[in-house]
Amino acid sequence: EPEVTQTPSHQVTQMGQEVILRCVPISNHLYFYWYRQILGQKVEFLVSFYNNEISEKSEIFDDQFSVERPDGSNFTLKIRSTKLEDSAMYFCASLYGSGTDTQYFGPGTRLTVL
Amino acid sequence: SQQGEEDPQALSIQEGENATMNCSYKTSINNLQWYRQNSGRGLVHLILIRSNEREKHSGRLRVTLDTSKKSSSLLITASRAADTASYFCATVRPFSGSARQLTFGSGTQLTVLP
Repeated sequence: EPEVTQTPSHQVTQMGQEVILRCVPISNHLYFYWYRQILGQKVEFLVSFYNNEISEKSEIFDDQFSVERPDGSNFTLKIRSTKLEDSAMYFCASLYGSGTDTQYFGPGTRLTVL
Repeated sequence: SQQGEEDPQALSIQEGENATMNCSYKTSINNLQWYRQNSGRGLVHLILIRSNEREKHSGRLRVTLDTSKKSSSLLITASRAADTASYFCATVRPFSGSARQLTFGSGTQLTVLP
């Protein structure tokens, strides 16, 4: 069964450094998402991406964040200058589109900012 | 505003018993979904119920939706130790177009004792 994959599974970085989190969505899916979950808290929406552009973003998704789909398979989340409070689990999700609202989530990347 | 609040926050039952988790939300929805998360892992989609549906079944899962009360319940029958996980409800707004992002609740931690 197709699945969403994410790399790395765990990323440790120093405050102020740039990180890129990578995701490979399910191949025929058209909608892509990033969510994050701070330890012990709810899963929060960051950004949705469709037709090669951001369709919606949350207040969390400020100028330090960007997303890109550089080729036909990868979907990346970049944090330009990490802060301690960016430490969280980051989940990528994809959705097929027509006729369904089921999002398929990747296993997540645990980001630790020191 | 908060959307999707589950109760109880934690539930502990014996194997074989039924587990019921409730979710309340504040705004109109297109659909409501339930996800499961094993400790430190990704989110697994369980079931989706649309705003014009009242009840849905999938295997040992039964979901109800009461849009007049803005609430949903998830029933797991004949629980197993392997059902131990966190369960989240998540809503999709109507007319969310190409975004269709999920708004998650805070989750119920279910522990099924063998």
